[in-house]
Amino acid sequence: AQKVTQAQTEISVVEKEDVTLDCVYETRDTTYYLFWYKQPPSGELVFLIRRNSFDEQNEISGRYSWNFQKSTSSFNFTITASQVVDSAVYFCALSEVGLGSGGSNYKLTFGKGTLLTVNP
Amino acid sequence: DAGVTQSPTHLIKTRGQQVTLRCSPKSGHDTVSWYQQALGQGPQFIFQYYEEEERQRGNFPDRFSGHQFPNYSSELNVNALLLGDSALYLCASSNSAGQGAYFSYEQYFGPGTRLTVT
Repeated sequence: AQKVTQAQTEISVVEKEDVTLDCVYETRDTTYYLFWYKQPPSGELVFLIRRNSFDEQNEISGRYSWNFQKSTSSFNFTITASQVVDSAVYFCALSEVGLGSGGSNYKLTFGKGTLLTVNP
Repeated sequence: DAGVTQSPTHLIKTRGQQVTLRCSPKSGHDTVSWYQQALGQGPQFIFQYYEEEERQRGNFPDRFSGHQFPNYSSELNVNALLLGDSALYLCASSNSAGQGAYFSYEQYFGPGTRLTVT
């Protein structure tokens, strides 16, 4: 069964600090996708990134970066020079699509989320 | 380019009643998924519709049912409401056309419907 663990329930930082959100996943499949979503107080989940299990290159997008390590089953998210507007709940999610799921597992399994508060 | 829209925004129902939530997918998307998000939790997958058929279902009882229309919009129905059904219900859309197996498009979420059961 697939599982996503976000051990950090809440993180509070001061503006301009760097912050890393941890995500550890469990899967028996060899082909899967990992996602990060942001949920501001308005409630709408905002897609941030999708990464497949065969691509372990780290990715940087502006102040955001992601570190994917299959050896430790982790897909961590770092925000550099945090801003107040980054305050939100961040979710990591997993989708198994390989042979173990018959290539037809379309659901996203989410972690419980990390509440990030950036104080001015 | 309209994103995913959901209606109503908020809803208050009494135990035992029935409720229908509605979702219009993002332009160009043909697949709709529904999720339930309890307070302080991550979203839980209810089911997904593609080509007007339920393609996959999560661990939810038969009280939860859905429908997809030819224009790709979708409805979520919940019968015999329980207090535990109080949650934010999220609709997500994606594009399955031409998508082979072993691939997962990102899903775009709507703002949700906040359901309160009293």
